[in-house]
Amino acid sequence: AQSVAQPEDQVNVAEGNPLTVKCTYSVSGNPYLFWYVQYPNRGLQFLLKYITGDNLVKGSYGFEAEFNKSQTSFHLKKPSALVSDSALYFCAVRDESDYKLSFGAGTTVTVRA
Amino acid sequence: ETGVTQTPRHLVMGMTNKKSLKCEQHLGHNAMYWYKQSAKKPLELMFVYNFKEQTENNSVPSRFSPECPNSSHLFLHLHTLQPEDSALYLCASSQRTSGLQETQYFGPGTRLLVL
Repeated sequence: AQSVAQPEDQVNVAEGNPLTVKCTYSVSGNPYLFWYVQYPNRGLQFLLKYITGDNLVKGSYGFEAEFNKSQTSFHLKKPSALVSDSALYFCAVRDESDYKLSFGAGTTVTVRA
Repeated sequence: ETGVTQTPRHLVMGMTNKKSLKCEQHLGHNAMYWYKQSAKKPLELMFVYNFKEQTENNSVPSRFSPECPNSSHLFLHLHTLQPEDSALYLCASSQRTSGLQETQYFGPGTRLLVL
């Protein structure tokens, strides 16, 4: 079985400050990890993924995520948050032997001006 | 979002109505998915189609009936729904032949309200 936990329902940061959205996962094999963002009244937009290789993955809109196998984490980061980054963020995991994605419950990010 | 489109964007229906949701992907993918998104809950996978064949039915009630006439189109037929079925229904597609490194791309969703 595979699962994802996003321990924070909400993250609030000031514009210009670093942003971190936490994600931990559980899979039986090697994980494939994804981050998606959902703006109001929109679908999920793909941000980045980790499959193999470098533990630091860079994605769209200046976001990056770090894969940590020992801590089973895949936290999303942005060095300097923008008000336009305010949205709902989802972490997802897939076991290497399965095509089905398991999603976390989402974290609402609010960036204040 | 032009890669995967969904219609209608909003739908209000009574419990005795029959309606259909439509999804179209313009990405040349061969797998399509229906998800249900409820507030504060993880996305729930409902159905999966691979090369037009249904490969997954995640214990979805029979009042939801999927149809995939070709690799680009996916429908979700709705019949005698319950108020608890009110949610955002998301369609996604992916290229299965790229192996398990495939990425799912989502449409904007249909916001469904069952009265």
